[in-house]
Amino acid sequence: DILMTQSPATLSVSPGERATLSCRASQSVRSNLAWYQQKPGRAPRLLIYGASTRATGIPARFSGSGSGTEFTLTISSLQSEDFAVYYCQQYNNWPPWTFGQGTKVEIK
Amino acid sequence: QLLLQESGPGLVKPSETLSLTCTVSGGSISSTSHYWGWIRQPPGKGLEWVATIYYSGTTYYNPSLKSRVTISVDTSKNQFSLKLSSVTAADTAVYYCARLSVAGFFDFWGQGTLVTVSS
Repeated sequence: DILMTQSPATLSVSPGERATLSCRASQSVRSNLAWYQQKPGRAPRLLIYGASTRATGIPARFSGSGSGTEFTLTISSLQSEDFAVYYCQQYNNWPPWTFGQGTKVEIK
Repeated sequence: QLLLQESGPGLVKPSETLSLTCTVSGGSISSTSHYWGWIRQPPGKGLEWVATIYYSGTTYYNPSLKSRVTISVDTSKNQFSLKLSSVTAADTAVYYCARLSVAGFFDFWGQGTLVTVSS
């Protein structure tokens, strides 16, 4: 199984600043990597797939990069509604589909 | 607009079977471009994939749960279902149903339903 590791566990950022989240795969997943946003009490929402393609309706301040084993989600200028938990997920080798443990983006 | 809605008991006794149904509206569960799946999230923890099914009946299970899990599809009702047997407190979680692209990412999610295992 492919292990997905996210860092940091918690990221404290001020509104308007840039946030950079990392996701590492235990083996190459090529570009088969998705990012999700989850707010408290809500279902996850797809942000990015194919490592860098924004899902429908996702603002341009969200961008994804990377391939192979190293991936990054960048939020260019944090808005109040962006404070949430973010998960990465690989879909290169399935089953199983595997998620990272999440990064919480909190207000600094 | 695609909508997925989970339904089922919110409380299940230890050793019994958890049963949930996901009703799909605004789209066909018989789509050849999608799979359908269940993901769960214990309180305060991360996401764990449980099971996936294709409309034809092809199934995939999390190896850690495989002996206890069954996923099924009813195309006539546009629904798919999950059964998890011999539950313990460790199975307490919010259970989400979701649609998967054929590539394998989860593009639409239900709102989730909390299932508590307790006597």
